[in-house]
Amino acid sequence: QLVLTQSPSASASLGASVKLTCTLSSGHSSFDISWHQQQPEKGPRYLMKVNSDGSHIKGDGIPDRFSGSSSGPERYLTISSLQSEDEADYYCQTWGTGIQVFGGGTKLTVL
Amino acid sequence: EVQLVESGGDLVQPGRSLRLSCAASGFSFHDYAMHWVRQAPGKGLEWVSGISWNSYNIAYADSVRGRFTISRDNAKNALYLQINSLRPEDMGMYYCAKGSWNHPSDTFDMWGQGTMVTVSS
Repeated sequence: QLVLTQSPSASASLGASVKLTCTLSSGHSSFDISWHQQQPEKGPRYLMKVNSDGSHIKGDGIPDRFSGSSSGPERYLTISSLQSEDEADYYCQTWGTGIQVFGGGTKLTVL
Repeated sequence: EVQLVESGGDLVQPGRSLRLSCAASGFSFHDYAMHWVRQAPGKGLEWVSGISWNSYNIAYADSVRGRFTISRDNAKNALYLQINSLRPEDMGMYYCAKGSWNHPSDTFDMWGQGTMVTVSS
């Protein structure tokens, strides 16, 4: 079964960096994923697609502070130089034939 | 500017029906797959359904199959979701999302702001 696992919460200080993790279920370690950001009371926003080889393709207007990487079944979203507006929920997403799956989301708090 | 605007959300009684719409602009709507994703209050994102550019490939989440119907009108740049036999667990914000290419099996690269569906007697 295709499942994505995310930690429920993370925190980091203003100006620091944070690395969020999304883990693919067993047997699905070669899948690509995407990251989406949802600020409070807003709709989601596409950030980037992260491929299994670690390359990533960002959405239009996404700052260079956001980057993606990969290692085995884990996909990462790194945010550097944290700003207050980065405080949000972050969801990873993957897909297969006839199915789309979201992780449970990570709530990022900027201290 | 690429834009997705959902409408049709309402307060409805359990067992009733509702039709959601999504108006697309700023891109070649007929070239891309489209999706519906929902979010219950205080919960995470749940994919509901996706449709290919030509409506030949359609997929549903197990939780809605048989009650929900996705469709599109490329001439009107519009996406629809027909919801029948509404249940309390269907309550939430419904988002329209643009696929990154013409088949539903890929990422979403654009989201709307959502339309709220409330189910209550």
